[in-house]
Amino acid sequence: DQQVKQNSPSLSVQEGRISILNCDYTNSMFDYFLWYKKYPAEGPTFLISISSIKDKNEDGRFTVFLNKSAKHLSLHIVPSQPGDSAVYFCAASDLGSSNTGKLIFGQGTTLQVKP
Amino acid sequence: DSGVTQTPKHLITATGQRVTLRCSPRSGDLSVYWYQQSLDQGLQFLIQYYNGEERAKGNILERFSAQQFPDLHSELNLSSLELGDSALYFCASSVQPGATGELFFGEGSRLTVL
Repeated sequence: DQQVKQNSPSLSVQEGRISILNCDYTNSMFDYFLWYKKYPAEGPTFLISISSIKDKNEDGRFTVFLNKSAKHLSLHIVPSQPGDSAVYFCAASDLGSSNTGKLIFGQGTTLQVKP
Repeated sequence: DSGVTQTPKHLITATGQRVTLRCSPRSGDLSVYWYQQSLDQGLQFLIQYYNGEERAKGNILERFSAQQFPDLHSELNLSSLELGDSALYFCASSVQPGATGELFFGEGSRLTVL
């Protein structure tokens, strides 16, 4: 039962263009969503998050959009840079109900930004 | 550097053996989470401890067990190892469950079972 899904295993974009990574979820109890970035031989690092009471959160070149009715979120990176090449994981949590803080992760999308 | 330390970084062993993976959380963090990442898979939640007590359990096999010690470090024990247990095992920590949602991950322990 995959509660968080990233249907695109990989994405390739040109430097300077926009990268859009997508994520779908099935559990309506999820109330907090996060994106993590992972480079080879390193652990995942937190990138940006959004609460379910918002529909957009922006941090520099990174913006996360949440569409609760569609149970869909996306990460926009503008402009994309070669250093953004990494695996991006979408994650979700039901902070309000479970009080565990555990994150449920998608399978990841490998982003390649070409110079 | 996330502040979460995992040892060993790499481990090669044979089927049927037992290994222990160790995790030291960030200073001040009370909650520890263990995740497994198999080839081309996402991170699968295994188990969570908070201040020494089990708080949540995921799809952790009965052959696997974990504990958190009084100094808050945690160990994940994997026994009767099978080829399919080969994976990256990540430890993550947070101050307390549900504080901000963010977990801080270590660099992982890569287990290879031959």
